[in-house]
Amino acid sequence: LAKTTQPISMDSYEGQEVNITCSHNNIATNDYITWYQQFPSQGPRFIIQGYKTKVTNEVASLFIPADRKSSTLSLPRVSLSDTAVYYCLVAPWRLQAQLWSRNQAGTALIFGKGTTLSVSS
Amino acid sequence: DAGVTQSPTHLIKTRGQQVTLRCSPKSGHDTVSWYQQALGQGPQFIFQYYEEEERQRGNFPDRFSGHQFPNYSSELNVNALLLGDSALYLCASSLPRQPYEQYFGPGTRLTVT
Repeated sequence: LAKTTQPISMDSYEGQEVNITCSHNNIATNDYITWYQQFPSQGPRFIIQGYKTKVTNEVASLFIPADRKSSTLSLPRVSLSDTAVYYCLVAPWRLQAQLWSRNQAGTALIFGKGTTLSVSS
Repeated sequence: DAGVTQSPTHLIKTRGQQVTLRCSPKSGHDTVSWYQQALGQGPQFIFQYYEEEERQRGNFPDRFSGHQFPNYSSELNVNALLLGDSALYLCASSLPRQPYEQYFGPGTRLTVT
């Protein structure tokens, strides 16, 4: 699995756009990039996933350059409630049924330490 | 639609004891994964169950074992508890066609004294 590197912490103010960059220099051709968010004393929550260029949903945008060696999670106009730990994960895209029919490894999520985002008023 | 539920919420055990944690997946999900999260660290993968079989296992000793039932719910068992087993234990469920979009429960906080 590709190793990921992201800042340990970031600070922001309400209403600002926050960009968290993740480095994954040895990403493989069939690897997808996934971001999770975790609030204190809660389980992680899936935010967004992408392979290349740009993906946007109601929560965030994910920008992936052509070489795919990094990715940027963009949170528009953050609020105090966006204070959380954000994890960048890289994993090969495989359908579970295909994996297990071939006795291959499953779909474990490999988390690093993540980026702690603190939003102040 | 209920999300992933876990029980109990908190648990205090003594070294050497055994513990069983329970998880009910999100409705419609058939795959369950367990993670251990120590304070200040990211979740660490323990194992994953599908069709009542352990399909993948992380770097955890045999003291950690699990089970998945026909209704897709799951249990995590830890024997001979050590102080270092104190952590938040998270259960996650997913669909076969969206394996990396895992839905996590609130976790069980285990304290070993």
